[in-house]
Parts: sequence; C-alpha cells; structure tokens
Amino acid sequence: AQSVTQLGSHVSVSEGALVLLRCNYSSSVPPYLFWYVQYPNQGLQLLLKYTSAATLVKGINGFEAEFKKSETSFHLTKPSAHMSDAAEYFCAVSEGGGFKTIFGAGTRLFVKA
Amino acid sequence: DAGVIQSPRHEVTEMGQEVTLRCKPISGHNSLFWYRQTMMRGLELLIYFNNNVPIDDSGMPEDRFSAKMPNASFSTLKIQPSEPRDSAVYFCASSSTDRYNEQFFGPGTRLTVL
Repeated sequence: AQSVTQLGSHVSVSEGALVLLRCNYSSSVPPYLFWYVQYPNQGLQLLLKYTSAATLVKGINGFEAEFKKSETSFHLTKPSAHMSDAAEYFCAVSEGGGFKTIFGAGTRLFVKA
Repeated sequence: DAGVIQSPRHEVTEMGQEVTLRCKPISGHNSLFWYRQTMMRGLELLIYFNNNVPIDDSGMPEDRFSAKMPNASFSTLKIQPSEPRDSAVYFCASSSTDRYNEQFFGPGTRLTVL
C-alpha cells in the first residue's frame, strides 16, 4: 500500500534562506511522485513530478526535488526563499497502472522578512 | 484549456437542506476525484471515478453523501440533508493515466452550512 509522510506540519524560514521540505513515501512498485502547492483560497497546483526519468527534478518557481530510492525520500528544496513562496505544500505518490494518488498531510511554509 | 471547472464557488445553506456541487473535468481526462478540505482533517479523498465508473467511495463519510458521473464531462456531489459539520472546501480534480496520474484541481467550492 502507498503512503506519504511529510515531516513537519509547519516550517519557517527567512527570506533568502534555503527551503527544505521533507517527504518520505512507501510504495510496493516504482512510484510516481509529486509536489503540489496551495496558495490561500486556491486549489492545489503541480510544482513538479518524478516519473522514473532523471532523479533530480526541476519544477516551477525555482523549486527542485531529488528522488532517493534507498532513502524512500523525495524532499523539496529551493536555494533562496521568497515571500511569495509562503503557502502549503503537499507531497503525493501514485503507482503506475493505478488511478489513485495519496497525498501527505501538508507542510505550511512561512517566510519571514 | 479551461481547466477543471467547479460550481458554485461559494454556497451558504441551512442545516437540513440539499446541496449539489458540480464539476466539469478537463476534456480527455479519464479519472475524476472529489476531495474535502478542512483545517481539522486536512485533505480527504471522498470518491473517485475512472471512465465514469465509481472505483472507490470508501472516503464518503455517510449515506448523506452521494456522487454521480453521468458522462465524461460532468460530475456531481450531493449532500442530503446537510449538517454544519459538512462545512468545508470541496475540490474536484481530474487526471489522465497518460500523464502519470498528475491531478489537476479545480478552484473549489466553499460550503457553509448554518
């Protein structure tokens, strides 16, 4: 069975600092992995996805994530936080051949001036 | 492409009334999902369809909730009778297995039951 664990329900960084949001997954088959972002009063939007090609995936707004099979991790990073990055971030896993995507509980990112 | 369309965007109703939420998925997508989001419970999957057929409705909280997908371009989520604890934001999302199950979310319907 698939599952996703996001470490830390809230993360606070200073503007210009490194952003690191942690995600670990469980899957019985090679997974598809996603990061979504949700801004206030909006639906979720895809930031980036891993689909078994390159293990380092680049997304929108300067975010990237690295798939590490040995650690079953898919952590999201951004070198320099911007105030506009303040939002909630969801890690998600899906198995090829299935339809369902499992979402983590979300991590709310706060960016301090 | 217009994206996933949901209506209404906001709904305020009184306890006991019937509520119907509507969703138009992205054309060509073969899966549709209904989610509920609250501060207390986070994002919950209620039900999902593949090729208009309900696959898993185990997340539907009670018999008061029902969902239909009569064709590939339309789905409804109905609550009858509604209760204050149903107040939440309800999202519809669609995806295609041709695109690695990437889900595209609608803007949501904010439901308030008084």
